[in-house]
Amino acid sequence: SQQGEEDPQALSIQEGENATMNCSYKTSINNLQWYRQNSGRGLVHLILIRSNEREKHSGRLRVTLDTSKKSSSLLITASRAADTASYFCATASLLLKANSKLTFGKGITLSVRP
Amino acid sequence: DVKVTQSSRYLVKRTGEKVFLECVQDMDHENMFWYRQDPGLGLRLIYFSYDVKMKEKGDIPEGYSVSREKKERFSLILESASTNQTSMYLCASSSARGFGTGELFFGEGSRLTVL
Repeated sequence: SQQGEEDPQALSIQEGENATMNCSYKTSINNLQWYRQNSGRGLVHLILIRSNEREKHSGRLRVTLDTSKKSSSLLITASRAADTASYFCATASLLLKANSKLTFGKGITLSVRP
Repeated sequence: DVKVTQSSRYLVKRTGEKVFLECVQDMDHENMFWYRQDPGLGLRLIYFSYDVKMKEKGDIPEGYSVSREKKERFSLILESASTNQTSMYLCASSSARGFGTGELFFGEGSRLTVL
């Protein structure tokens, strides 16, 4: 069952602009992670935010988490053409047994125009 | 560099064939996973394993089985391939005690076409 739902499904921006992607989920989580996938390749982990954290930064990435709204956002600042990829949020639910699994959303396709 | 290697990037098989997808990781990770990825459906978990010879069903295990005889290797088996199993298959591993507490490392994927 899909836990995370990303929004929008597709985003097209100009190089240099910021890209904001959102993820909503339904059940309580242990943590939320964002991944990136270039076309036809495997996924690459970007950032992990725990349920007791509200914001996290990594380079040009900023992730926020609002557990009261069950939502997260990923901000990519000063986007580059090389940021063109699909982005997925993944959640680790607290409601599953100890060895919980990551559940992925359907992904957001980001296109950055040069 | 950490590495998850999937044996085949592209496979074409016929309906009814037995298919083996192999995945090897060199990070001494306890946990390994098989996902399939389809357009519009995202990633769906097929099976996972948190130890040698241990396996657990994911969300869509029907039509698949797995084998984990060695810590570094996790195989996905399609006993009798069907056209609806045409998909991209992604293997991943992690060292987290509970899966959700750590990042997954993915292989490059195996694109399977069943004719």
